[in-house]
Amino acid sequence: GNSVTQMEGPVTLSEEAFLTINCTYTATGYPSLFWYVQYPGEGLQLLLKATKADDKGSNKGFEATYRKETTSFHLEKGSVQVSDSAVYFCALRNSGAGSYQLTFGKGTKLSVIP
Amino acid sequence: NAGVTQTPKFQVLKTGQSMTLQCAQDMNHNSMYWYRQDPGMGLRLIYYSASEGTTDKGEVPNGYNVSRLNKREFSLRLESAAPSQTSVYFCASSEVDYGYTFGSGTRLTVV
Repeated sequence: GNSVTQMEGPVTLSEEAFLTINCTYTATGYPSLFWYVQYPGEGLQLLLKATKADDKGSNKGFEATYRKETTSFHLEKGSVQVSDSAVYFCALRNSGAGSYQLTFGKGTKLSVIP
Repeated sequence: NAGVTQTPKFQVLKTGQSMTLQCAQDMNHNSMYWYRQDPGMGLRLIYYSASEGTTDKGEVPNGYNVSRLNKREFSLRLESAAPSQTSVYFCASSEVDYGYTFGSGTRLTVV
């Protein structure tokens, strides 16, 4: 079956530090990969996505590259801000007919301190 | 604003009580979902509806029922609430080629 493994948090960084949140997956076929962000008290919002190998998703200074050879989709940002404090979820969805479900990792909480 | 609307935002139930969580989307999406979020567990799929008129079980369906009332609305019912159902519940909708749009959640406490 499908599964997503994220690095455990919480992660605490100083403002302007470099961020990496690791994500690896197990899936059949050729899944699409996603990063979602959840700010305190809110629902999840799509941050970025990639639909095929070597695609790079990017948004708001965050990037992630779909690496099929290492089954990974690590999230990176060069300089984090206090406003990036949130919980980040990696997720996958299989391709093909009937592929509606997202499988989520457990989430990684990021705290950025001034 | 377009999106997914969930009601209520907060609810406290006594063990054994029943309730229905409502969800509506105005993006004309075909697929809708109910997830629960628990600390350290991430999001787990309860039920989903791939299209109007169909529903299917997800990872954790026991104790829940759903109704896809029309293309816009997808409700989740707890027939006899248990403390183990204390959680934050999220509704979402999507088209197959795109990511999900989530509602803001319902915080349910069963005492």
